[in-house]
Amino acid sequence: DTAVSQTPKYLVTQMGNDKSIKCEQNLGHDTMYWYKQDSKKFLKIMFSYNNKELIINETVPNRFSPKSPDKAHLNLHINSLELGDSAVYFCASSQEGGADNEKLFFGSGTQLSVL
Amino acid sequence: LAKTTQPISMDSYEGQEVNITCSHNNIATNDYITWYQQFPSQGPRFIIQGYKTKVTNEVASLFIPADRKSSTLSLPRVSLSDTAVYYCLVGDVYSGGYQKVTFGTGTKLQVIP
Repeated sequence: DTAVSQTPKYLVTQMGNDKSIKCEQNLGHDTMYWYKQDSKKFLKIMFSYNNKELIINETVPNRFSPKSPDKAHLNLHINSLELGDSAVYFCASSQEGGADNEKLFFGSGTQLSVL
Repeated sequence: LAKTTQPISMDSYEGQEVNITCSHNNIATNDYITWYQQFPSQGPRFIIQGYKTKVTNEVASLFIPADRKSSTLSLPRVSLSDTAVYYCLVGDVYSGGYQKVTFGTGTKLQVIP
């Protein structure tokens, strides 16, 4: 069983569309994250949720809206997609979120291409 | 906030030991040092973590000097499958006490046959 799974793996869409990426973890972790990796391979944190509550919200456009229906799921909805949104989006989870020795477990990524 | 500096890329022949050094001059007392490995088209994978001295697991060793201002990831006898990007991270506390795990540029290791 995959510990952190995200769908879809590939997403190709037109500018202006709205799309969602889903993430689920079966590790029993309390904290989940969304990271964005751009074409230069920089990996940047976008959001973090702990037990369904938003705890980290980096400078991300309002078009990005995370939703956590329960602590095992963290979905990412993107409105009015732009060319610059093209990237690989990674979901991750960690046991607590506040420990000094936090370890993250990542999904395999969603390659988003906006045409 | 502690930041890390590591070489952008390294090449190594198969069978050699590879050492990747990371500088973190502003590391805080509570910060752990964590290394992740990322293969192409995959998410980063935790490989090793330490606080001081030496840590060894089935994948790698991590050497941390007494001042903790740097650390060295050691990969014994690398193979082609070790070609990946290796990230060195230290803690980065966000408001409210939650960790904001921040990735740097990483070191792209290319293993050559």
